[in-house]
Amino acid sequence: GNSVTQMEGPVTLSEEAFLTINCTYTATGYPSLFWYVQYPGEGLQLLLKATKADDKGSNKGFEATYRKETTSFHLEKGSVQVSDSAVYFCALSTRDTGNQFYFGTGTSLTVIP
Amino acid sequence: DADVTQTPRNRITKTGKRIMLECSQTKGHDRMYWYRQDPGLGLRLIYYSFDVKDINKGEISDGYSVSRQAQAKFSLSLESAIPNQTALYFCATSDPSGYPTDTQYFGPGTRLTVL
Repeated sequence: GNSVTQMEGPVTLSEEAFLTINCTYTATGYPSLFWYVQYPGEGLQLLLKATKADDKGSNKGFEATYRKETTSFHLEKGSVQVSDSAVYFCALSTRDTGNQFYFGTGTSLTVIP
Repeated sequence: DADVTQTPRNRITKTGKRIMLECSQTKGHDRMYWYRQDPGLGLRLIYYSFDVKDINKGEISDGYSVSRQAQAKFSLSLESAIPNQTALYFCATSDPSGYPTDTQYFGPGTRLTVL
């Protein structure tokens, strides 16, 4: 079946620290991969996406590379800011399941000044 | 104006009551979804609809029903609410013509508490 596993939080970092949030997946087809971000009190927003192996998605200083050989899509940012404090969700969708989305459990990030 | 709206934003109700959560979208997307979010469990799919005549059960549909009144409206009902349905509920839309970069767009959520 389809599933997403991401590292458990919460994660607390100091401002300007390096961030990595691990995400691995299993999929029956060839998935598209996504990172969504949820700021306090808000819905989920698309952060970045990648649709094929070796693609790199990037946005707002965040990056993630689609690694088919390791079935991973780890989220990274070189220097986090207080405004990056949020919950981050890794997700996949596959055409053979009608583009349903499968989400990880979310990783809470807090950045302290 | 927000593309995906949900009403109400917060609701407190009692066990056994019937509750309806509503979702409207102005994105013109055919596909709509209902999820619930629980701490430590992420988002789980309740129901989804690919057009007004198509309704499908998701991972956790028991205790819920839906109605797709129009392309822009998708309602979720709890026929007889129970406390373990206390959660944050999200509506989402997507445009299949965007495949393979299909993206889901979320509403702001409805916080439901069942006492």
